[in-house]
Amino acid sequence: DIQMTQSPSSLSASVGDRVTIACRASHSVIKYVNWYQQKPGKAPKLLIYATSTLQSGVPSRFSGSGSGTDFTLTISSLQPEDFATYYCQQSYSTPHTFGQGAKLEIE
Amino acid sequence: QVQLVESGGGVVQPGRSLRLSCAASGFTFSTYAIHWVRQAPGKGLEWVALISYDGSNKYYADSVKGRFTISRDNSKNTLFLQMNSLRPEDTSVYYCAKSYSGGYYHGLDVWGQGTTVTVSS
Repeated sequence: DIQMTQSPSSLSASVGDRVTIACRASHSVIKYVNWYQQKPGKAPKLLIYATSTLQSGVPSRFSGSGSGTDFTLTISSLQPEDFATYYCQQSYSTPHTFGQGAKLEIE
Repeated sequence: QVQLVESGGGVVQPGRSLRLSCAASGFTFSTYAIHWVRQAPGKGLEWVALISYDGSNKYYADSVKGRFTISRDNSKNTLFLQMNSLRPEDTSVYYCAKSYSGGYYHGLDVWGQGTTVTVSS
């Protein structure tokens, strides 16, 4: 199975900051990494699929990059509604494993 | 609108069984792979199972293989998860989620609201 490791697991930032969350796969997943945002008590929301393609309706301040085993999610200018937990997921091979999550909190 | 609605959760004793359902609407259910994903209280997301659009291919996490069975009824736009030999560690919110594309590669773009399963004596 492919393991997905996110870093950091938690971070504090302020509105307007630029934030980057990393995700490392234990084996190459080519480009098949997806990113989700989850707020407390809610289902996850797909932000980005296939490394860098923004899901419809997702603000352009979100972006993704990477290939092979190393991927990043960047939020260019944090907004109040962005404080949430973010998960990466590989969909290259089953099981489609998730990272452990990165909790983004207000500083 | 595009929607998934889970049902069937509840409190069950260890070793017993439970069957979850996921009713789909607003899209052509029979053309998309569907997944189950779970989340234990205060924990992260865990991918559980996947079924192809026509039900011919099924994949499972190691943690549920041999105990859980995913299935679908395309005539009723419904997905199922039969959970046998339940363990306390299966306690979670269970979400069904739709593959974005017709295949498996592009993430899960529609999620249900989740149904809670508690395994406890």
